[in-house]
Amino acid sequence: AQTVTQSQPEMSVQEAETVTLSCTYDTSENNYYLFWYKQPPSRQMILVIRQEAYKQQNATENRFSVNFQKAAKSFSLKISDSQLGDTAMYFCAFMKHDLLAGNQFYFGTGTSLTVIP
Amino acid sequence: EAGVAQSPRYKIIEKRQSVAFWCNPISGHATLYWYQQILGQGPKLLIQFQNNGVVDDSQLPKDRFSAERLKGVDSTLKIQPAKLEDSAVYLCASSTPGTSGVPGELFFGEGSRLTVL
Repeated sequence: AQTVTQSQPEMSVQEAETVTLSCTYDTSENNYYLFWYKQPPSRQMILVIRQEAYKQQNATENRFSVNFQKAAKSFSLKISDSQLGDTAMYFCAFMKHDLLAGNQFYFGTGTSLTVIP
Repeated sequence: EAGVAQSPRYKIIEKRQSVAFWCNPISGHATLYWYQQILGQGPKLLIQFQNNGVVDDSQLPKDRFSAERLKGVDSTLKIQPAKLEDSAVYLCASSTPGTSGVPGELFFGEGSRLTVL
């Protein structure tokens, strides 16, 4: 079974500063994918960034980047130049693909991030 | 491209009543998911369909919850009878299997917020 752990229930950061959200996971799979999803207050969950486990290079999407440490099973999200619109719940997710079942996703408990003006 | 559609957005019922939620996934997405998200927690998978077949319903309380996906397109989640602890947001999501080197992504609907009094 796969488990995803986010050990920081709440975090805050000053506007324009940098913040890192932690995520660890446990799996015996070798091929899998990792995601960070963002859920703004009362709004839809959207994808922030994804990482393929077979890729050594860390993914980057504008102000968002990850630090993927496969051996340590760690997948942290760094948000640079934080903006007020980054205030949201952030969920780390693990995905494996099964030929019969399709994509199977496992979510962490989330980190509530508040950006302070 | 139209997103995942869900209805109703909000529903208030009394305990022991029944409720049904509807979801229409993105066209062509074979995999459909129903998640339960209790306030402040991460999404919990209730049931996963691959086309019109169930591939995972291990966490679905089958004594009161049921779901179907006729014709492998839209889906309905029913709760009967509802309990106080069923108060949550019910998220529907769909995903593609992905292509070589590009993982399938999970697309969420806006959710259906259920309050059980």
